[in-house]
Amino acid sequence: EAGVTQFPSHSVIEKGQTVTLRCDPISGHDNLYWYRRVMGKEIKFLLHFVKESKQDESGMPNNRFLAERTGGTYSTLKVQPAELEDSGVYFCASSQGLKTQYFGPGTRLLVL
Amino acid sequence: RKEVEQDPGPFNVPEGATVAFNCTYSNSASQSFFWYRQDCRKEPKLLMSVYSSGNEDGRFTAQLNRASQYISLLIRDSKLSDSATYLCVVNNYGQNFVFGPGTRLSVLP
Repeated sequence: EAGVTQFPSHSVIEKGQTVTLRCDPISGHDNLYWYRRVMGKEIKFLLHFVKESKQDESGMPNNRFLAERTGGTYSTLKVQPAELEDSGVYFCASSQGLKTQYFGPGTRLLVL
Repeated sequence: RKEVEQDPGPFNVPEGATVAFNCTYSNSASQSFFWYRQDCRKEPKLLMSVYSSGNEDGRFTAQLNRASQYISLLIRDSKLSDSATYLCVVNNYGQNFVFGPGTRLSVLP
């Protein structure tokens, strides 16, 4: 069974540009989560989808971040416009029930 | 105060040693507890869930003390392949994971 996949694996953009990250959860997992690890800090929650609905988006840092999960399958996280402090590793995770979460390999974003 | 705190580390131990990691959490409503390991530049991977009665998986033993809001992980007979960062993770059933900062372990030959 395929695990959680994320695309791209790396992205280098300039401040002010737009970047869209994609996450494909494990097939059949209704719960999808986005997390971020900024350099030197712990992994922090961004938001949680249950199917196509946003269950909790309390961790989204500001309105430059927009997450979608059309059709309840894959999800995208768009950052527009990107700022320097957005650099970090963005992880996606999915779960079938409400306990164990399985993480994707992450997207490493560098904003210059 | 951070919601989940861990030993800052790093821990450098020889092969075969026993090492213990500690973790405390501040949210008394937390219901699920996990240890994840993260290798350098990789994603977190579930090592084991932590149950109230304590649980063991081979060389790994996890303990939970709800009264003290304390979680531990014991690794016996350390292997070189155990070198990684160990993340203490808690959540309130169905909600987001809250991660500790991690404790880095280096097992030396």
